[in-house]
Amino acid sequence: TQTVSQSDAHVTVFEGDSVELRCNYSYGGSIYLSWYIQHHGRGLQFLLKYYSGNPVVQGVNGFEAEFSKSDSSFHLRKASVHWSDSAVYFCAVSAIYAQGLTFGLGTRVSVFP
Amino acid sequence: NSKVIQTPRYLVKGQGQKAKMRCIPEKGHPVVFWYQQNKNNEFKFLINFQNQEVLQQIDMTEKRFSAECPSNSPCSLEIQSSEAGDSALYLCASSWDWGVSGAETLYFGSGTRLTVL
Repeated sequence: TQTVSQSDAHVTVFEGDSVELRCNYSYGGSIYLSWYIQHHGRGLQFLLKYYSGNPVVQGVNGFEAEFSKSDSSFHLRKASVHWSDSAVYFCAVSAIYAQGLTFGLGTRVSVFP
Repeated sequence: NSKVIQTPRYLVKGQGQKAKMRCIPEKGHPVVFWYQQNKNNEFKFLINFQNQEVLQQIDMTEKRFSAECPSNSPCSLEIQSSEAGDSALYLCASSWDWGVSGAETLYFGSGTRLTVL
């Protein structure tokens, strides 16, 4: 069984600041990691995914994430946030024969002007 | 923007009533998932389909939950007798595939928010 941990429940940043959202997972086998964003009252939007190869993956709207097998991590970063980035961000993992994605509890990002 | 369409956006039911929600997956996507997201942001996988066939599902031992994806019709999730604990956001997602790898991307709809009074 795979598990996902997002250590920060809430992050507050100012527009133009950088942000890093932490995600750690536990699973012994091959794993696939992704990040989703959920704006208030909306469904989940796909940001990016790590499947194999280059551990740094680029996503939409300037987001990127870095996979580290040694740290069991897949942290999400953005160099300069915009007010529209205010949302809840979910890290998700899946594995062979998994029942869909396993999600973390999310990190709420509040961006102030 | 997601092209997965979920209706209705909001659903209010009394305890014991039936609650039915629908999902039209993104065009060409044969795989459909249903998830329940509670107020604590805990996601619960319910069931998934490939075309009309169930791929995986949780043990719905209470049999209050049923789902189907008929050919040429929206997929649906129905709760036969709603309980207060069923109040949640129900998310439908679709994908090109959900094979052995589990590596496909899921595309989500905006959800149906069920409130059971």
